[in-house]
Formats: sequence, structure tokens, C-alpha cells
Amino acid sequence: DGGITQSPKYLFRKEGQNVTLSCEQNLNHDAMYWYRQDPGQGLRLIYYSQIVNDFQKGDIAEGYSVSREKKESFPLTVTSAQKNPTAFYLCASSSWVNTEAFFGQGTRLTVV
Amino acid sequence: QKEVEQNSGPLSVPEGAIASLNCTYSDRVSQSFFWYRQYSGKSPELIMSIYSNGDKEDGRFTAQLNKASQYVSLLIRDSQPSDSATYLCAVIQDSNYQLIWGAGTKLIIKP
Repeated sequence: DGGITQSPKYLFRKEGQNVTLSCEQNLNHDAMYWYRQDPGQGLRLIYYSQIVNDFQKGDIAEGYSVSREKKESFPLTVTSAQKNPTAFYLCASSSWVNTEAFFGQGTRLTVV
Repeated sequence: QKEVEQNSGPLSVPEGAIASLNCTYSDRVSQSFFWYRQYSGKSPELIMSIYSNGDKEDGRFTAQLNKASQYVSLLIRDSQPSDSATYLCAVIQDSNYQLIWGAGTKLIIKP
């Protein structure tokens, strides 16, 4: 089945630790995105990538980092510099920049 | 930064009635518009995409686009309790092809 897989579904992190969220897609999509969603809020763009080895900051990139070494993979690292990392993180992909996006099931990160 | 505006709701509709969800956008030259449904605790799923003025129907869902007035709407006919969710409007910004998201409208269908 084609789709977008995020792992893990739930993640707990101690303060001061970096953590990496995985996102893999087998849809052969060029563009990939990371969003953050807080309770009762809309989606905020963290980073996006339109092509391998290239990515751009979104609206709230501070405290996050990404890589795009393969077309299928777009991992997100939440660093200790992110002051309030507890949130629902969503990865998405689209065939190109002007088409609809499809989402993974999300990763819920909690800082303990 | 262009904007996409939605009424946050909640919008309460009786079962079997028509639910009408509205979205306005500020980028006059936007060409691509999408409606997503998001159940509580789940990720958004695409319901409809619309690119031309007028109506587009898919089952119980109808998307309406009016570029002159800069609004896009979603109608849900014969509303079911399973339609209760948050509906997100998204617009592709023409300047950099980025998806701009509304904050969503929470829809409650009352049995």
C-alpha cells in the first residue's frame, strides 16, 4: 500500500534531550512537509522540502532541524533549543508544490 | 503572509440537515483550494479539491468556489454523526506555492 508512515506514534522526551521523528513515504512524491499542531489550533509549518538535499524553513523552524538525503525520507529533529516541544507533529507529502498534500498518522510528542 | 479565515465554531447541525462550512482567503491569485477533515486526535484527510469557479460534487459533499469574492465553501448533505469533525480549508499561495491553512471549523452533527 502506498502511503506516508510516521514513527513512533507516541514519544516521550526528557527536557534537554534531542529527539528525531521519522517520516517515510512511498508515493514517489517530490515535496515533503512537517507541521506542528497544538490543541485546538491549526497547522503551523516547520520545514518543507521540494527536492532531495534541499529544504526551507517554515513559519516556526527555530529549535527544529531536518534532512532530506533520500526522496522517501524526511526526518525531523526536535532539539533542546525548542522551548515548548509538546505537540502533535504531522508529516505530509505532495507530488509537487501546487498539488494536494497527504498526511501521515502523526506523532504525539510529550516532554516529561 | 496571505491568510485563510474560517469560523472556529462549533457549528451544530441536526442529523440529516445540510452543513455549510465557509472559508475566505486573501491571496487574490490563488488557484488551488482544498478541504480536509480531521477527527479528534487524528491527522487531516483530504475530502475535496477545487480549482475552477463553481460547484464540484462528490457524493454528499459539494465544494463551491467564488474567486471574485475570494471564498470557498463546503456543503455536506444529509449530515451524519460520523461527519462530526474539524474541517480545515487550505489554499495554495500563488507566490511561493505554499499551502496556507485555516484554523478549522469544528462541526457537530446532533442525532
